[in-house]
Amino acid sequence: DVKVTQSSRYLVKRTGEKVFLECVQDMDHENMFWYRQDPGLGLRLIYFSYDVKMKEKGDIPEGYSVSREKKERFSLILESASTNQTSMYLCASSLLGGIEAFFGQGTRLTVV
Amino acid sequence: QKEVEQNSGPLSVPEGAIASLNCTYSDRVSQSFFWYRQYSGKSPELIMSIYSNGDKEDGRFTAQLNKASQYVSLLIRDSQPSDSATYLCAVNPTDKLIFGTGTRLQVFP
Repeated sequence: DVKVTQSSRYLVKRTGEKVFLECVQDMDHENMFWYRQDPGLGLRLIYFSYDVKMKEKGDIPEGYSVSREKKERFSLILESASTNQTSMYLCASSLLGGIEAFFGQGTRLTVV
Repeated sequence: QKEVEQNSGPLSVPEGAIASLNCTYSDRVSQSFFWYRQYSGKSPELIMSIYSNGDKEDGRFTAQLNKASQYVSLLIRDSQPSDSATYLCAVNPTDKLIFGTGTRLQVFP
């Protein structure tokens, strides 16, 4: 079974803090993704990566950056957290582009 | 026009009935289509993949794809209260998945 693990299930941070969300997959998948999910807006792609050290912007990259130093790990960074970044963050991975993706358990981030 | 459209629901069906969930997409180059189930507070779980026109069955689930009409559907036979969840349709026009906003299904006893 594919396992995608996110470092935290719940997180509370203060406005202006730098926040790191970590994601690890154990299936040697090439592609990894970060989405955020908000009521009524669905899943929106923030960034994705198709190889180590490669990254592509998704639909809403502003205020975020990512890092992929190793194939199995994809980190999402909020440079200076703001209250409008309060959301559910979901990491996913897929073996190749265009095929099914598997999700981690999600991190519910609250910025106060 | 949204890339992937779903009726938000809720779709309410009685236990034992067939639930029919629909999805339309805008990009004709899409080749892969997926249905995910998401329980409240949980992450999406893949339940069906379909890549070619026609029907694909897996247990109580049947996915139907019509590329000419840009339409994909999910049928759930013998619906159970445990099927109550939000169902997300996803398509891939490029190398990333685009999701609809989901349809909330309620199965009542």
